[in-house]
Amino acid sequence: DAGVIQSPRHEVTEMGQEVTLRCKPISGHDYLFWYRQTMMRGLELLIYFNNNVPIDDSGMPEDRFSAKMPNASFSTLKIQPSEPRDSAVYFCASSHARGYTFGSGTRLTVV
Amino acid sequence: GESVGLHLPTLSVQEGDNSIINCAYSNSASDYFIWYKQESGKGPQFIIDIRSNMDKRQGQRVTVLLNKTVKHLSLQIAATQPGDSAVYFCAENRRSDNDMRFGAGTRLTVKP
Repeated sequence: DAGVIQSPRHEVTEMGQEVTLRCKPISGHDYLFWYRQTMMRGLELLIYFNNNVPIDDSGMPEDRFSAKMPNASFSTLKIQPSEPRDSAVYFCASSHARGYTFGSGTRLTVV
Repeated sequence: GESVGLHLPTLSVQEGDNSIINCAYSNSASDYFIWYKQESGKGPQFIIDIRSNMDKRQGQRVTVLLNKTVKHLSLQIAATQPGDSAVYFCAENRRSDNDMRFGAGTRLTVKP
């Protein structure tokens, strides 16, 4: 099993640009989570899906953030327009039972 | 609001010694707990879990202790090795929802 796959690993973009982060969960996992990690706030849950349906998006910072899961093997997190304060490491995780498997993360830098 | 927190942000131990990392939680409804290890540049990695109907669980060189009376969780690492250097997170989960809430993390440094 290749684990949870995220792309890109690193993204540097200019303020105002659209950013799209991608995630491929582990096959058979029915839950998918997006987390953001910063030094100030630690690991924050942004949104999670169950069977491709968004269940809780209360952690999404504002309307500039959106997430989709068009099928069981793919999810995206989009930021439009991006701002410097969005700079962080974004993790995707998937699970079938109650333990999570995390991807390696996308380090986003907005300049 | 209710949250998961850590007592110590950093811990430095000598190679070969035992390490103890502590975590306090405040939500009495939490019934499942996990310890994660995060190495630099990587995502959190599952170490060990424990359900609320247990007070101790052992893995390979790691033991998790749960004290529900005082809402305290600890991770014990035996014979700590340089490869154990990382940030360790505790996380809680409630059966009513499936989102995992993470503590702030403790950085463990192992000195040779």
